[in-house]
Amino acid sequence: NAGVTQTPKFQVLKTGQSMTLQCAQDMNHEYMSWYRQDPGMGLRLIHYSVGAGITDQGEVPNGYNVSRSTTEDFPLRLLSAAPSQTSVYFCASSYLQGGRGEQYFGPGTRLTVT
Amino acid sequence: AQSVAQPEDQVNVAEGNPLTVKCTYSVSGNPYLFWYVQYPNRGLQFLLKYITGDNLVKGSYGFEAEFNKSQTSFHLKKPSALVSDSALYFCAASGGNNRKLIWGLGTSLAVNP
Repeated sequence: NAGVTQTPKFQVLKTGQSMTLQCAQDMNHEYMSWYRQDPGMGLRLIHYSVGAGITDQGEVPNGYNVSRSTTEDFPLRLLSAAPSQTSVYFCASSYLQGGRGEQYFGPGTRLTVT
Repeated sequence: AQSVAQPEDQVNVAEGNPLTVKCTYSVSGNPYLFWYVQYPNRGLQFLLKYITGDNLVKGSYGFEAEFNKSQTSFHLKKPSALVSDSALYFCAASGGNNRKLIWGLGTSLAVNP
């Protein structure tokens, strides 16, 4: 099993550009989530999904969109990049909703917005 | 409000000595408690969890954690630290009917040779 995969590993965007961060898992997990990690702020939940076709907002959803058309994939879209979105982004999956089961994390995407 | 506190930003220990990384929590109802480790430039890896049962939970890489209900703590421990244990450690908790996972800010562990 590949576990949770994320692409790209690194990305540089200019302010106003859009892009999609890809996330896929091969463990048949229903629960998937996106976090951003910033120095001194720990992990903050952006969006999550409890199954195909169902998504919801986390604590910092503004500027990001998600969709979940299949169990395996959970892409994160930045609509119009801003310097404040410079961060490391992690996708995670779990067989139980985040607060109940252990989560499996991808390797992360380091995004810089200039 | 629900919260998780990791009171130490950094912990330094000598190789071979026991280590403790502290975590206290405030959640409603029975807690679900987790420890994760993050090595440099990597994603987080699950170490161990407490849901119910024995207060001492054993996990990966020789780590264990002690659940203390009266002190609302879930400290991570290892009897003999290795240099390779140097990493960032996160505690997380959820409770009761609220399935939202609350994360601590992380503790950087440095094990010195």
